[in-house]
Amino acid sequence: DIVMTQSPDSLAVSLGERATINCKSSQSVLYSSNNKNYLAWYQQKPGQPPKLLIYWASIRESGVPDRFSGSGSGTDFSLTISSLQAEDVAVYYCQQYYSAPCSFGQGTKLEIK
Amino acid sequence: QVQLQQWGAGLLKPSETLSLTCAVYGGSFSGYYWTWIRQPPGKGLEWAGEINDSGSTNYNPSLKSRVTISVDTSKNQFSLKLTSVTAADTAVYYCARGRMVRGVLGHYYYYMDVWGKGTTVTVSS
Repeated sequence: DIVMTQSPDSLAVSLGERATINCKSSQSVLYSSNNKNYLAWYQQKPGQPPKLLIYWASIRESGVPDRFSGSGSGTDFSLTISSLQAEDVAVYYCQQYYSAPCSFGQGTKLEIK
Repeated sequence: QVQLQQWGAGLLKPSETLSLTCAVYGGSFSGYYWTWIRQPPGKGLEWAGEINDSGSTNYNPSLKSRVTISVDTSKNQFSLKLTSVTAADTAVYYCARGRMVRGVLGHYYYYMDVWGKGTTVTVSS
């Protein structure tokens, strides 16, 4: 099974500043046949279900603000919020869907400094 | 706008059976995976299992002997049953829709694009 590890576990960033969350997979989630990374990012606010932000490692889901971006390939990925807003306080999870069973990172808690 | 509405008993005693149902409104049931994800208090997300619209299932090996996911396509509903629950099964249980993509060896995989609101299940004597 693929193990997903996020860093850091928690992060405090000032409003308007950049926030970056990292995700590392125990094996590559890049499928060579289509050159796609099978990696998604979710945002979970307190008391709410997770919300899909990014899939294919870098494609924003419809309606997601463009301050959210995903990057990386193979085993190393990042989620970046270019200018942190108060409503971005949440726990963020990465998920691989390259192989079964799908697996999530442990989560990164993002707070305002 | 697809919505998932889920329901089921929220308080169980050890050894009882957890039973949850998720109804799909406003969208097609076919062409997707339908999954259950759980989240123990203060912890991360754990995939419990999946079913597709033809009824094919896969389960988390850690739950495999106790879990059953079924589908009723006539009602656009799918259900989760987990037998012999213990305190370790206390969690928020989410149903979610899996957007299918083709991957390695032609198999289908998915990421979750629509989620139910979650049901808090507490196992306590």
